[in-house]
Amino acid sequence: SQQGEEDPQALSIQEGENATMNCSYKTSINNLQWYRQNSGRGLVHLILIRSNEREKHSGRLRVTLDTSKKSSSLLITASRAADTASYFCATYRGSTLGRLYFGRGTQLTVWP
Amino acid sequence: DAGVIQSPRHEVTEMGQEVTLRCKPISGHDYLFWYRQTMMRGLELLIYFNNNVPIDDSGMPEDRFSAKMPNASFSTLKIQPSEPRDSAVYFCASSFSGGRARNEQFFGPGTRLTVL
Repeated sequence: SQQGEEDPQALSIQEGENATMNCSYKTSINNLQWYRQNSGRGLVHLILIRSNEREKHSGRLRVTLDTSKKSSSLLITASRAADTASYFCATYRGSTLGRLYFGRGTQLTVWP
Repeated sequence: DAGVIQSPRHEVTEMGQEVTLRCKPISGHDYLFWYRQTMMRGLELLIYFNNNVPIDDSGMPEDRFSAKMPNASFSTLKIQPSEPRDSAVYFCASSFSGGRARNEQFFGPGTRLTVL
């Protein structure tokens, strides 16, 4: 079963613009992770935010977490055509050791 | 270090044939996951292992699917007999439960299975 729900399902922007993707989940979590999947490839881990953190940065990525609203957002600043990919959020509950619950993903297209 | 290795990368077979997918996790990782991805159903967890022991196989579609992990370096996912609706990309992933990056999963390149 899936835990996260990404919003929007698809996002299309121009290079240089910022891209914001949202994720909502239903149960309490230990951490939340974002992954990227380029077409025809496996998922690649981008960033992890723990339940006691509110914001985290990694290069052009900014992730926020609001545990009271059970939601997270991923912001990609100054997007590039190479950022075109599907982005998934995944939650780790802690109670189900080792397992991540993935959402359906947001397909991001960045036009040159 | 090599990442997660999967073989074959592509498999085309006929309905009714046995299919075996293989995975070598990252050395030192104690969790191994098998996922299936389709456009219709997204990414589905089929089964996962901890220290070579199956923990949850509730995602395995039916008895035609079986998975083994005989040692820490190798796992197989077998479909017998295969059906056209099994066509999908199958991913293997591994993770390490210790350290700061707890439960970050590393995915293999996937096996694209087509059952005719």
